[in-house]
Amino acid sequence: KAGVTQTPRYLIKTRGQQVTLSCSPISGHRSVSWYQQTPGQGLQFLFEYFSETQRNKGNFPGRFSGRQFSNSRSEMNVSTLELGDSALYLCASSFGRGPDTQYFGPGTRLTVL
Amino acid sequence: AQKVTQAQTEISVVEKEDVTLDCVYETRDTTYYLFWYKQPPSGELVFLIRRNSFDEQNEISGRYSWNFQKSTSSFNFTITASQVVDSAVYFCAQGLGTYKYIFGTGTRLKVLA
Repeated sequence: KAGVTQTPRYLIKTRGQQVTLSCSPISGHRSVSWYQQTPGQGLQFLFEYFSETQRNKGNFPGRFSGRQFSNSRSEMNVSTLELGDSALYLCASSFGRGPDTQYFGPGTRLTVL
Repeated sequence: AQKVTQAQTEISVVEKEDVTLDCVYETRDTTYYLFWYKQPPSGELVFLIRRNSFDEQNEISGRYSWNFQKSTSSFNFTITASQVVDSAVYFCAQGLGTYKYIFGTGTRLKVLA
């Protein structure tokens, strides 16, 4: 069974630009969660989607948004990039029934210059 | 408050030593899950184990073992006869009924040859 895939793996952007990250969950998984990982803040929850609906949201500004498609694939968008957005963005998928096991993708490393 | 505490920021051991990574959690929920993940330098979080709140049995898997004690709200992870390949950041996490996951700040384990 294929694991969670994320594209692209690396991105370099400049301040003010916007970026879209993509996540394809494990087949059969309907829940996709996004996390931001930075050395200073650890693993921070961004949001979770289940069946195309945002079910949970972390404490991030509105510049961070996401969506999920009918095939459970998910995208995350960050607008008006700031230097502090440089991080590893991790996507995790699960069946979404209760707190079941999340499986993580390899992440997208975003660098904002 | 829902919280997961990994007080050990970094641990260094010599190969073949045993090492225990501590995890203390806080929750008001009676039903929850606890997880351990390993994050090697490549960045992807690798699922290691899941326990539910009703199952306090200890678990052993090869050189890995987990000790879950509700009385002390702890879910500690022991690596026996550590190896260099065990070097990674280890995260403890809690999954709640609201489909939220709370991660600890991680413990960096360095196993020296």
